[in-house]
Amino acid sequence: IAGITQAPTSQILAAGRRMTLRCTQDMRHNAMYWYRQDLGLGLRLIHYSNTAGTTGKGEVPDGYSVSRANTDDFPLTLASAVPSQTSVYFCASSDSTETDTQYFGPGTRLTVL
Amino acid sequence: AQTVTQSQPEMSVQEAETVTLSCTYDTSESDYYLFWYKQPPSRQMILVIRQEAYKQQNATENRFSVNFQKAAKSFSLKISDSQLGDAAMYFCAYSRIIQGAQKLVFGQGTRLTINP
Repeated sequence: IAGITQAPTSQILAAGRRMTLRCTQDMRHNAMYWYRQDLGLGLRLIHYSNTAGTTGKGEVPDGYSVSRANTDDFPLTLASAVPSQTSVYFCASSDSTETDTQYFGPGTRLTVL
Repeated sequence: AQTVTQSQPEMSVQEAETVTLSCTYDTSESDYYLFWYKQPPSRQMILVIRQEAYKQQNATENRFSVNFQKAAKSFSLKISDSQLGDAAMYFCAYSRIIQGAQKLVFGQGTRLTINP
């Protein structure tokens, strides 16, 4: 069982380009989340999904979009990347939305030049 | 707004000794969850321990235990018999429910160094 996988592991991207970060979980968890981690700020929630077909905005959603077509996949898209989106991105999942622990993927390091 | 504060950016401890990492949080809610996550140089976020606010008993996981003081809104992590593999960034997190979704709020982290 892999848990949560993220791709790519790292990426350097020119400003203005479109980029999709992939996240797949094999635990059949209902809820999935995207966070960004910046030095000195900890992790901040970008978007979340309580269940397939639904999504919601987190603390820092601007410049990002998500979709949840099925239970396993939760891609994060940067429509037009900007340097301030340089960060490490973590995908997470939990079995239920309210009480369960969130488990994290290995992260994607994204650099926007 | 809910916030989580880790006042110790860095801590160090001698191998086999005990160290305590501090965390305070601000909330007006009565029912919530608290977590400690570990992030080693591999970057993976690993759950260390979890505490339900409605439980008075402090959570324990092997060498890791918490001191949960609900009235003081304090949630410290104690690591006993420190090992070299404990070296990592440690994040305290508070879980709140908004619009039916669980949202974690993280502290800024404490970098723990283990001295051999």
